[in-house]
Amino acid sequence: QSVLTQPPSVSGAPGQRVTISCTGSSSNIGAGYDVHWYQQLPGTAPKLLMYVNTNRPSGVPDRFSGSKSGTSASLAITGLQAEDEADYYCQSYDSSLSGYVFGTGTKVTVL
Amino acid sequence: EVQLLESGGGLVQPGGSLRLSCAASGFTFSSYAMSWVRQAPGKGLEWVSTFTSGGNTYYADSVKGRFTISRDNSKNTLYLQMNSLRAEDTALYYCAKHMVQGGKPRPYYYMDVWGKGTTVTVSS
Repeated sequence: QSVLTQPPSVSGAPGQRVTISCTGSSSNIGAGYDVHWYQQLPGTAPKLLMYVNTNRPSGVPDRFSGSKSGTSASLAITGLQAEDEADYYCQSYDSSLSGYVFGTGTKVTVL
Repeated sequence: EVQLLESGGGLVQPGGSLRLSCAASGFTFSSYAMSWVRQAPGKGLEWVSTFTSGGNTYYADSVKGRFTISRDNSKNTLYLQMNSLRAEDTALYYCAKHMVQGGKPRPYYYMDVWGKGTTVTVSS
């Protein structure tokens, strides 16, 4: 099972703001390792959405923002749009496992 | 345009072997760490293995001793040799290119480009 915990699902109406939490521990996020986020649209490969906690790759709308504090990180989507319906995964590194770890994944539904 | 194209997936019996390939284009392949990540049907993402640009390899505990990652920089191709396959290895296998900000070490790498994946099914 994953060492990074995310809510299974979040939902919101178009235009609303939703947040996705990513909770880790002292061997991963709490150890200071960066958190990255990936968006997986239905039937497609994951795509980098946020890197090094708060940075958006070119082409990612500024409606997406990231934060990190202590042993947790969050991804916020403001002005939710229909095309944001997807699965979202956080990712970091775990020193106990000596490898990369992904969050459990969160399905975002636009009502 | 940076592209990754996986191939080699298929149906294999438990205990069998399979070799996956990932053909890279659009970037200097030898300069970047590369990883395999898998996703079992209806499940989340799981890191499998990494091959750094410096020649070091790393594996998830779930595949250590059974899978071998390699790369041929002359062919811009990443490989994953999978032996002693089990039903729980059934998944869509993605190849991913790594990036890092500010020259940080491997724990700080992230995956900036992903291939479309190749499906591995282990079943009798």
